[in-house]
Amino acid sequence: AQSVTQLGSHVSVSEGALVLLRCNYSSSVPPYLFWYVQYPNQGLQLLLKYTSAATLVKGINGFEAEFKKSETSFHLTKPSAHMSDAAEYFCAVSEDNQGGKLIFGQGTELSVKP
Amino acid sequence: KAGVTQTPRYLIKTRGQQVTLSCSPISGHRSVSWYQQTPGQGLQFLFEYFSETQRNKGNFPGRFSGRQFSNSRSEMNVSTLELGDSALYLCASSSGTGKETQYFGPGTRLLVL
Repeated sequence: AQSVTQLGSHVSVSEGALVLLRCNYSSSVPPYLFWYVQYPNQGLQLLLKYTSAATLVKGINGFEAEFKKSETSFHLTKPSAHMSDAAEYFCAVSEDNQGGKLIFGQGTELSVKP
Repeated sequence: KAGVTQTPRYLIKTRGQQVTLSCSPISGHRSVSWYQQTPGQGLQFLFEYFSETQRNKGNFPGRFSGRQFSNSRSEMNVSTLELGDSALYLCASSSGTGKETQYFGPGTRLLVL
């Protein structure tokens, strides 16, 4: 069965510092992996996705993630945090035979200190 | 292209009532998935409809049901509401394959009193 674990429900960084949000997945078949961001009182917006092409995936707003099969990880990074990055981030997994079904991690709330 | 729209945006109901939420997908998308978001349980998959047929179902009681129309618009219904059904209900649309991006609507916030 698929599952996603996000390590750390809250992460706080200073403006300009590196952002690292951790995601580990479990899947019996090659997975598709996604990172979404949610701002207060809004829906989810896709940051980036891995669909078995390049293992280093670049997304919007300067975010990127690297798929590491040996570690079953898909951590999200950004070299320099901006105040506007403060939001909740969700990692999700889907599989080919599951159509439009996403399994989400519990989310990581990112705070950015000035 | 217009994004995913959900109506209503906010809803207050009392225990025992039923509620119907609506979702209009992005034009051309045939898959609509529904998710429940709560502080305690996070984002949980309810069900997915594809070409008017339920294709996937999450682990929710039968009080939660849905349907999809020929124009791909979808509705979900919750009968006999319980306090614990208070949540943000999100729908997402996609072309229907696992690797395609799901585009989310703004959600319907349901409060059950």
